[in-house]
Amino acid sequence: DAGITQSPRYKITETGRQVTLMCHQTWSHSYMFWYRQDLGHGLRLIYYSAAADITDKGEVPDGYVVSRSKTENFPLTLESATRSQTSVYFCATRDRGTDGYTFGSGTRLTVV
Amino acid sequence: GQQLNQSPQSMFIQEGEDVSMNCTSSSIFNTWLWYKQDPGEGPVLLIALYKAGELTSNGRLTAQFGITRKDSFLNISASIPSDVGIYFCAGQSGGSNYKLTFGKGTLLTVNP
Repeated sequence: DAGITQSPRYKITETGRQVTLMCHQTWSHSYMFWYRQDLGHGLRLIYYSAAADITDKGEVPDGYVVSRSKTENFPLTLESATRSQTSVYFCATRDRGTDGYTFGSGTRLTVV
Repeated sequence: GQQLNQSPQSMFIQEGEDVSMNCTSSSIFNTWLWYKQDPGEGPVLLIALYKAGELTSNGRLTAQFGITRKDSFLNISASIPSDVGIYFCAGQSGGSNYKLTFGKGTLLTVNP
């Protein structure tokens, strides 16, 4: 189906483990974004990408790594998960010349 | 960095009542957007505003772009149970590289 897909929807991992959250779009939108949503903080930007092979830090990048070798994929990796990274993670896309973002359904990550 | 102050943080209302929420910023935005997030899903764009003073409606929703370009308002008339969710404002400034700044959200609960 067309759109933006995040996987997995739910993930439980242990402290110190590496975990990768996937984001895939079936359009060819230029911009892709990763946000985390936490109570009291709203949506905070982790990383974003303006095109394949172009990424930049957002507001809260520490502890995360991204890559964008293909336009349609923008994986987010937690190199060594910590409990403070327990959150709901949203991927979003935006095409040039359009309004707003289209968000995925989110990944709920719990670090124990 | 830019910050948006969104209020109220939460609202508990009776079905049929009207609702108002707003966002204010210390800096000017060129575009204001309002999103709604249903439980367990990603935010979805409701209304986009492009011009100071602009008033735009989408069904029972009406949003306004403040004259100073530092604020925006969202009104929901005759609320229904499916209006439940988190409402986010977002602003974009010139030269922001397509990044949006989000408010922390207003949690709306509608009592049938």
